[in-house]
Amino acid sequence: SQQGEEDPQALSIQEGENATMNCSYKTSINNLQWYRQNSGRGLVHLILIRSNEREKHSGRLRVTLDTSKKSSSLLITASRAADTASYFCATDLAGGGNKLTFGTGTQLKVEL
Amino acid sequence: GAGVSQTPSNKVTEKGKYVELRCDPISGHTALYWYRQSLGQGPEFLIYFQGTGAADDSGLPNDRFFAVRPEGSVSTLKIQRTERGDSAVYLCASSPHGAAYEQYFGPGTRLTVT
Repeated sequence: SQQGEEDPQALSIQEGENATMNCSYKTSINNLQWYRQNSGRGLVHLILIRSNEREKHSGRLRVTLDTSKKSSSLLITASRAADTASYFCATDLAGGGNKLTFGTGTQLKVEL
Repeated sequence: GAGVSQTPSNKVTEKGKYVELRCDPISGHTALYWYRQSLGQGPEFLIYFQGTGAADDSGLPNDRFFAVRPEGSVSTLKIQRTERGDSAVYLCASSPHGAAYEQYFGPGTRLTVT
């Protein structure tokens, strides 16, 4: 079963614009991770935020976590065509047995 | 260094046949995960190994699915009596310790059962 739900399911923007994706989850977590997937194959880890953290940055990426609302957001600033991919949030559930539970993903398309 | 590799990259088999999918994790990573991803969905957890032992196999859909990691490195996912519903991309990932850390994914094996 899928723990998280990403919103929106699909997003289309122009190059240079910012892209924001949201993830909601249902139960308490140890950490939340964001991954990118190109062409339906291997996933690439982007950023990990622990339950006691509220915000993290990595290059053009900014992730926030609100454990009271059980939600996270991923912001990609100054998007590029190469950012076109599917983005997934994944949660390490508290008491969940040391495994990740993935959301349904957001398909991002960045147009030139 | 080398990343996670999976073989074959594509496998087409007939309904009822037996298949084996192989995963070669990053050297030294003790945790190894198998996921299954259907079109338009996120990866779905199947099984997790810590070393040689299956620490959590709660995601295996039924007893036709089995996985081994006999020497704590390479892992094989085995599917008996394949069904058309088994068609999906099977992803393997490894991690230095477990879910508290990032996971490194292989390119996946696309299984098609005809």
